[in-house]
Amino acid sequence: DAGITQSPRHKVTETGTPVTLRCHQTENHRYMYWYRQDPGHGLRLIHYSYGVKDTDKGEVSDGYSVSRSKTEDFLLTLESATSSQTSVYFCAIRGDRDYYGYTFGSGTRLTVV
Amino acid sequence: GQNIDQPTEMTATEGAIVQINCTYQTSGFNGLFWYQQHAGEAPTFLSYNVLDGLEEKGRFSSFLSRSKGYSYLLLKELQMKDSASYLCAALNQAGTALIFGKGTTLSVSS
Repeated sequence: DAGITQSPRHKVTETGTPVTLRCHQTENHRYMYWYRQDPGHGLRLIHYSYGVKDTDKGEVSDGYSVSRSKTEDFLLTLESATSSQTSVYFCAIRGDRDYYGYTFGSGTRLTVV
Repeated sequence: GQNIDQPTEMTATEGAIVQINCTYQTSGFNGLFWYQQHAGEAPTFLSYNVLDGLEEKGRFSSFLSRSKGYSYLLLKELQMKDSASYLCAALNQAGTALIFGKGTTLSVSS
């Protein structure tokens, strides 16, 4: 299996606090993605990265920021968590030419109370 | 923009055949994907179509018609373990990210 891990796997946080989720890969893949998954909405793209320090917004980027200072790590930050950001967050990776190779991490279940 | 539609739920019995449809409207087309996701788990890749026609892979097949903006996933000889959500997805216009439909939850009963 492709080496992709997300941390933490579960987190409960309070409204208004900052939260950072980490995605780590050992595949040296160029592309990394953050999605959130909610009942009735499916998987929605938050942000993605196409290289170190190169990122772009997805369809639901408001309230989220990302950083990629090295190939293997892609961080998702909620600057001030809100209850609407309670969700399951998935990271995914793919190689430069490999449209098949969207591999997902195991997900982070975030609850904002 | 992009819009991907698929039925919310489907039910079937063991041993049967089920077809899950997906229609899409995209400003550019770079391929259509199907993923399987069991409850509480990550999505896993099933198939990819970029040309019209049928792609067969064991019990699973996927069909694409670009002119109609239509795809389907065909599951044969259904097993209980096929109970899962099936996600249809298309690449965005730039070809840089997958946009997903809301998924179809399939329940297989004995």
